[in-house]
Amino acid sequence: DADVTQTPRNRITKTGKRIMLECSQTKGHDRMYWYRQDPGLGLRLIYYSFDVKDINKGEISDGYSVSRQAQAKFSLSLESAIPNQTALYFCATSDSGKGMNTEAFFGQGTRLTVV
Amino acid sequence: AQSVTQLGSHVSVSEGALVLLRCNYSSSVPPYLFWYVQYPNQGLQLLLKYTTGATLVKGINGFEAEFKKSETSFHLTKPSAHMSDAAEYFCAVSAHTGGFKTIFGAGTRLFVKA
Repeated sequence: DADVTQTPRNRITKTGKRIMLECSQTKGHDRMYWYRQDPGLGLRLIYYSFDVKDINKGEISDGYSVSRQAQAKFSLSLESAIPNQTALYFCATSDSGKGMNTEAFFGQGTRLTVV
Repeated sequence: AQSVTQLGSHVSVSEGALVLLRCNYSSSVPPYLFWYVQYPNQGLQLLLKYTTGATLVKGINGFEAEFKKSETSFHLTKPSAHMSDAAEYFCAVSAHTGGFKTIFGAGTRLFVKA
């Protein structure tokens, strides 16, 4: 099983619908992140959480919300999906206990299409 | 704030040729630098990272990168390209002034010709 699991892997939804993307991890890491990937733009940070009680906005948080239900779970919601939120979404984790220079571990991504 | 610029959205090399992927960063404090690789339909995985100490960093699959503070660069190289190296490569930076958020470059897609 993957260490960082995202569900669903693919989703098509209609404009205006609410949708939730889920992420769970078995790595025991305290930090979790949501990124979106768009061609030519790389990965942009949406939200990040350094522990269960800590939620922070990233570069592009407008139109998104998150919930850190437990150390192992971090979900991303689109309250009212719009077509320009069509993208590949990645969840990632890292371990602050290994120092601030530790790398991130990524899920396999969720491809979201808003029609 | 930190930022990363990757020069060239696409790079094409012949099998056996040198691979050079360019990355320049901006950071007001000493940065931590990373290269990640993304194969089709997969998430990103770490190739190598620079934290402190030796400026030449070796990673997986024969890749290496050199941190050059004077040039604010962290270019990725591999002496001899293999077909399996075809992927997208991302340079990334983090630093304590940014709360140790990792900021990614736009990515460089590497094509390897037979």
